[in-house]
Amino acid sequence: GDSVTQTEGLVTLTKGLPVMLNCTYQTTYSPFLFWYVQHLNEAPKLLLKSSTDNKRTEHQGFYATLHKSSSSFHLQKSSVQLSDSALYFCASAYQGGRALIFGTGTTVSVSP
Amino acid sequence: EAAVTQSPRSKVAVTGGKVTLSCHQTNNHDYMYWYRQDTGHGLRLIHYSYVADSTEKGDIPDGYKASRPSQENFSLILELASLSQTAVYFCASSDGGQGEVFFGKGTRLTVV
Repeated sequence: GDSVTQTEGLVTLTKGLPVMLNCTYQTTYSPFLFWYVQHLNEAPKLLLKSSTDNKRTEHQGFYATLHKSSSSFHLQKSSVQLSDSALYFCASAYQGGRALIFGTGTTVSVSP
Repeated sequence: EAAVTQSPRSKVAVTGGKVTLSCHQTNNHDYMYWYRQDTGHGLRLIHYSYVADSTEKGDIPDGYKASRPSQENFSLILELASLSQTAVYFCASSDGGQGEVFFGKGTRLTVV
């Protein structure tokens, strides 16, 4: 069945360092992947999305590349800020494209 | 900006009681969703709808009913609330699985 896997539950790092959050997927639908970010006590919001193989997508300093050969859509940032502390979800379109299935999420905690 | 409004924002319910969570969107979106958020499980789809007067089961529909009386409104009903249904519930809307999903601010439900 369809699924999204995020292997890191918690990532802690210091401001200014790079970060990569892993995301792999299984889908019976044409791959359409998303990253959502949820700050404390807020609603999840779209960070970036892609359905194009091997093309880098960027937004607000974050970037990701969909690799259909490895079923991956890892999220990266070259220099994290304190404001990047949040819960990050990878998601994939499923149910024939009618809904999103989410991974379990990765909490990023950035310290000064 | 797209708006999804949930009510109530928090609720304490008694085991065995009936709970209704309401959601209203002004995005003119066809699709509406109910997700449940639990630590370690991410966001899980309960029910969704893509047209008024029709609902579809998501991944965890047991113990929940949904109602879509109009394009703008989507309710989640717990006929017999149980302790295991303590969670944060998010309503969301989109114009399709490949479009951005807009979330409400969530309802924190505590069943005692």
